[in-house]
Amino acid sequence: KQEVTQIPAALSVPEGENLVLNCSFTDSAIYNLQWFRQDPGKGLTSLLLIQSSQREQTSGRLNASLDKSSGRSTLYIAASQPGDSATYLCAVSSTGFQKLVFGTGTRLLVSP
Amino acid sequence: GAVVSQHPSRVICKSGTSVKIECRSLDFQATTMFWYRQFPKQSLMLMATSNEGSKATYEQGVEKDKFLINHASLTLSTLTVTSAHPEDSSFYICSASEPMNTEAFFGQGTRLTVV
Repeated sequence: KQEVTQIPAALSVPEGENLVLNCSFTDSAIYNLQWFRQDPGKGLTSLLLIQSSQREQTSGRLNASLDKSSGRSTLYIAASQPGDSATYLCAVSSTGFQKLVFGTGTRLLVSP
Repeated sequence: GAVVSQHPSRVICKSGTSVKIECRSLDFQATTMFWYRQFPKQSLMLMATSNEGSKATYEQGVEKDKFLINHASLTLSTLTVTSAHPEDSSFYICSASEPMNTEAFFGQGTRLTVV
């Protein structure tokens, strides 16, 4: 059974810092990995999707890497801003259908 | 990206009543949609897979008679929480993907409170 863990559970940083969020999964036979952002009481916003054959994806200040063999992914956020404050979730899919197993999440707070 | 709309965003109901939540794919057809549940300060857990034109597939531990799923068209799936109890209070959220696209898009979620 696939299990997804995220470290740290919570993170508080001053504005402008670069930061790294970690995600690990127990079964390396994944189809893809997706990073999401969730604001309090809201739905999920897709940030980055990495296919199993890819090593990384970039979008603006965000960069996600994937090391499938070791069961790890990282989300790098450059020059953090208060608007980045949210919970970040990683999720893996083991099939072509988007049946996702979610991580425990990292609650990020960026202070002005 | 594709747009998935979920309604209502919030609902409060009395114990013993039923509540219907709708999930629509607005600009694409989805033969498969997924329903997740999120308890406070926990991550999302898959409840069931909604299949257009056939029965839903439920995850282990999810009562299919309590959480009725209907996927009557290629753009609409509904989740009905029957005989709701306070322990059913949770955040319910659906997802769908475009055909030939592996990226999942989520609705806005529904906050259900059973009093």
